[in-house]
This record gives sequence, C-alpha cells and structure tokens, in this order.
Amino acid sequence: DTAVSQTPKYLVTQMGNDKSIKCEQNLGHDTMYWYKQDSKKFLKIMFSYNNKELIINETVPNRFSPKSPDKAHLNLHINSLELGDSAVYFCASSQERLNPGLNYGYTFGSGTRLTVV
Amino acid sequence: AQRVTQPEKLLSVFKGAPVELKCNYSYSGSPELFWYVQYSRQRLQLLLRHISRESIKGFTADLNKGETSFHLKKPFAQEEDSAMYYCALTASGNTGKLIFGQGTTLQVKP
Repeated sequence: DTAVSQTPKYLVTQMGNDKSIKCEQNLGHDTMYWYKQDSKKFLKIMFSYNNKELIINETVPNRFSPKSPDKAHLNLHINSLELGDSAVYFCASSQERLNPGLNYGYTFGSGTRLTVV
Repeated sequence: AQRVTQPEKLLSVFKGAPVELKCNYSYSGSPELFWYVQYSRQRLQLLLRHISRESIKGFTADLNKGETSFHLKKPFAQEEDSAMYYCALTASGNTGKLIFGQGTTLQVKP
C-alpha cells in the first residue's frame, strides 16, 4: 500500500541508451513532480504535472520527456543517456491547492538511483 | 528570486546536546516553509510545516519573517535523529513548486 512508488529502484545503463522510470501514486493527489538529487545531495525540480497537464518545465535537456497517462502516473523517459545524468531521481505528489496559499507538502517516492557507465 | 540557504553542510553533536539547523530564505511575498528529513537510503519525509506550528519527534521550527529564517531546533538530540535535513519553500498562490536548500547532514554521536 505504498503511497508513491517508483520503479526501478536501481538502474545501471550504458551511455547512449534510452531508459524510462515509472511513478505511480495512490493518494488521489492531482499534482505530481520529478526531482533530481545530484551527487552533492542537492534537490532540484525538473517537471510538474497537474491532472495530466504539464505546469512546470525547468531548464532540463529535451532528452528528458515526462509522460502522464493519467493523474496517478508520471513517467520519465530519458533518451541518449549521458554520464552527467547519473543521479537519484525522486517522484513526488501533492494535494490540490484547494485554498490559495495552502500547501500540504509533498509525499515522495523512494527514489531511483540511475548510474550511467 | 526565491532561494533557500542552509549554511551548514554538516552538523555534528553529541547525544543529548541541543540542535539547531539553520535555514534562511529569500522571498518577497508570503512563503510557506517546510522541513524534510531523509534517513540513510530512504525517501524524503515531511517533518514540519510552518503553518501547522507542530512539534514532530521533538523538533520545532518557528518562522521569523523579520530575519527571514526558519531554523529547526531540538533540545536534546538522539542518535536516531542522524539524517539529512532539507529546508524548503513554496510561494503562495503558485504551482506548488518546492525550492529546496542544499541540505544539512546531522550527525549525532553517542
């Protein structure tokens, strides 16, 4: 009954390959996110979807393409993997902002450790 | 620009000592502040929200708008508190995007 689940947990792949990471949440949240945690443990937002609609797209190479088939899923596809893509990728979801200025905080997945060799 | 600064990369204390993890933010409007914790090899978990004014696992944090700070405090550290702590900010009325600080590793020694 995990709230936000990501697969796979670990991913080791060669440069140039294409890979996908899947994320699913069963909390009924409307908004989902992808964050990247680099080797220095710094967390930075990549994308956000609200009800299948892209609402945040930070400066991310277009080799990264998010896909949201429904509001419970947000997958991340990465083309032509590079060494610098090695990181931990976290999926998260949050409750809809019913009141302006009110944020209930995120629920995070356990992360996917991507290693590009 | 919105920014969160955690000046200490590592904070090391002995068990039973008081702990204060510093967090300063930069935002001209009314921010919402959070503390998240990441235990070794685990997912990030929400620890505190400033609007809740709650105490979780003995930790408290007070929003000081004059000093633009949201420091995390605990009077007596426990070994199980050892983890990475992130301060985060979201701007009211926006898309819910969280901006994280660089994180502070808390190491509680026996």
